[in-house]
Amino acid sequence: QVQLQESGPGLVKPSQTLSLTCTVSGGSISSGSYYWSWIRQPAGKGLEWIGRIYTSGSTNYNPSLKSRVTISVDTSKNQFSLKLSSVTAADTAVYYCARYNSGWYEHWGQGTLVTVSS
Amino acid sequence: DIQMTQSPSSLSASVGDRVTITCRASQSISRYLNWYQQKPGKAPKLLIYAASSLQSGVPSRFSGSGSGTDFTLTISSLQPEDFATYYCQQSYSTPITFGQGTRLDIK
Repeated sequence: QVQLQESGPGLVKPSQTLSLTCTVSGGSISSGSYYWSWIRQPAGKGLEWIGRIYTSGSTNYNPSLKSRVTISVDTSKNQFSLKLSSVTAADTAVYYCARYNSGWYEHWGQGTLVTVSS
Repeated sequence: DIQMTQSPSSLSASVGDRVTITCRASQSISRYLNWYQQKPGKAPKLLIYAASSLQSGVPSRFSGSGSGTDFTLTISSLQPEDFATYYCQQSYSTPITFGQGTRLDIK
């Protein structure tokens, strides 16, 4: 059974770069035809898709965040990562990593709260 | 971007009720529509994929229908564990977008 786990700092200062890692267990990140994605949710609000990376390394980003987002994959560690630059308080949210398969998200991490504050 | 609009935004119902939640896409998305359930402090859980396919392990009281721009999620007989927030999600094109959510409360 595939499991995903987010990790990274829970507090980031304004204008700095938010960096999160998702560790995949129970299967190889480079096997199968999956997109590995990041999704976020501000407190009390809905879900916002940040972007995804394919097994091959190709990426798609939300245009609203594209200038600030980088998603990368490290197959040797079975991990993929999110970097979001120039953060503001509006980037405070629970960040989820998830596996996209054939159009839907079947597997999610538990989520990690990132607060942007000085 | 494809906009997904759910209605209602919130709903109060009783155990045993039949409940329907609607999701409308701003353009046709064929059947590229999924439904999720989210409980407080938890990640979303996939319920329905491809508009009407029941995810493994999800009770059969959940069902989905629709195509094109209009979709529904129906819970045939509400159980206590069904009180949660429900989201639709389109996968027709990127950026992938979600509805704003429907909060289902106990009446």
